Amino acid sequence: SQQGEEDPQALSIQEGENATMNCSYKTSINNLQWYRQNSGRGLVHLILIRSNEREKHSGRLRVTLDTSKKSSSLLITASRAADTASYFCATDASGGSYIPTFGRGTSLIVHP
Amino acid sequence: DVKVTQSSRYLVKRTGEKVFLECVQDMDHENMFWYRQDPGLGLRLIYFSYDVKMKEKGDIPEGYSVSREKKERFSLILESASTNQTSMYLCASSPLRGTVFGYGYTFGSGTRLTVV
Repeated sequence: SQQGEEDPQALSIQEGENATMNCSYKTSINNLQWYRQNSGRGLVHLILIRSNEREKHSGRLRVTLDTSKKSSSLLITASRAADTASYFCATDASGGSYIPTFGRGTSLIVHP
Repeated sequence: DVKVTQSSRYLVKRTGEKVFLECVQDMDHENMFWYRQDPGLGLRLIYFSYDVKMKEKGDIPEGYSVSREKKERFSLILESASTNQTSMYLCASSPLRGTVFGYGYTFGSGTRLTVV
């Protein structure tokens, strides 16, 4: 069963704009991860945020985590056409087996 | 560059055939995983393994089996392929309890299997 659910399902923006994707989950977690998947390829790990962290940065990526709302957001600043991909969140339920459960993903299209 | 390699990018098999999907990692990771990915359903875990000769069922193991004879290799077996097993298959690896220490999964490029 899906633990994390991304929103929106699809997002279309112009190059240079910011892209924000959200992930909501149901149970308490140890950590939350974001992955990118280019069309027809495997997933690439972007960032992991632990349950005791509120914000994390990596280059143009900013991830926030609100455990009280059971939600996370991924912000991509100054987007580029190369950011066109699907983005997945994966949650690692606390008290569980440390195996992340993936959401269905947000499809991002960045128009040049 | 560290890698998870899946032996085939595209595969077409006939209904009833026995199908082997191979995955090899060069990172000395303890954990290896097989997922299938279908439109609208996201990634679903089929099987995983924490160690050589060890396997655990994931969410959708029916119709599949796995083999891990060596640490670096994790094979997914479709005993008798059916059309509803047409899908993208993704292999991944990670260190043992890797997410506890901040590691994510490393994925292969995927095998797109079509069963006709």
